[in-house]
Amino acid sequence: AQSVTQLDSHVSVSEGTPVLLRCNYSSSYSPSLFWYVQHPNKGLQLLLKYTSAATLVKGINGFEAEFKKSETSFHLTKPSAHMSDAAEYFCVVIPYSSASKIIFGSGTRLSIRP
Amino acid sequence: DVKVTQSSRYLVKRTGEKVFLECVQDMDHENMFWYRQDPGLGLRLIYFSYDVKMKEKGDIPEGYSVSREKKERFSLILESASTNQTSMYLCASRAGGGTGGYEQYFGPGTRLTVT
Repeated sequence: AQSVTQLDSHVSVSEGTPVLLRCNYSSSYSPSLFWYVQHPNKGLQLLLKYTSAATLVKGINGFEAEFKKSETSFHLTKPSAHMSDAAEYFCVVIPYSSASKIIFGSGTRLSIRP
Repeated sequence: DVKVTQSSRYLVKRTGEKVFLECVQDMDHENMFWYRQDPGLGLRLIYFSYDVKMKEKGDIPEGYSVSREKKERFSLILESASTNQTSMYLCASRAGGGTGGYEQYFGPGTRLTVT
């Protein structure tokens, strides 16, 4: 069975310091992996996606993620946090075999301290 | 630019009312989805549609129905709204003819309150 685990429910960093949001997945087949961001009372916006091309994926707003098959991880990073990065972040797995199933992580709330 | 729009950002309805939530996408996507999002429960799939007039139940279809008469429009219907349907409702669309691997694009959400 496919699943996705976000290891931290809440991460707090100071502005200008690095961000690391952790995600582990479980999938029988080659999954497609995504990170979405949700600002308060807004919909989900796609940050980046991995679909079996390069293992290091660059997204919008300076975020990137590295697919590590040996560790079944897809952690999201950013070198320098900005106040506008404060939001909820979701790691998502879409199994290749499924037309509809999208598996969401439970979310990580990112807070930025001035 | 990809666009998914939802008819209302905020909606307040009374118990027992029939409620329509509409979603429109301009990307010619085959697949459309309705989710609800609740604190501590994450996003849960209510219904999805893979073609005009085609629909399948998601994880929590009870109390909801859907309609897809045109490719770009997917409606969620609450036949008789109840207070436990107070939630954030998110619509999404996705390209692809059958298998997965394609990202979903989300609308801004409708925050529905049933009193």
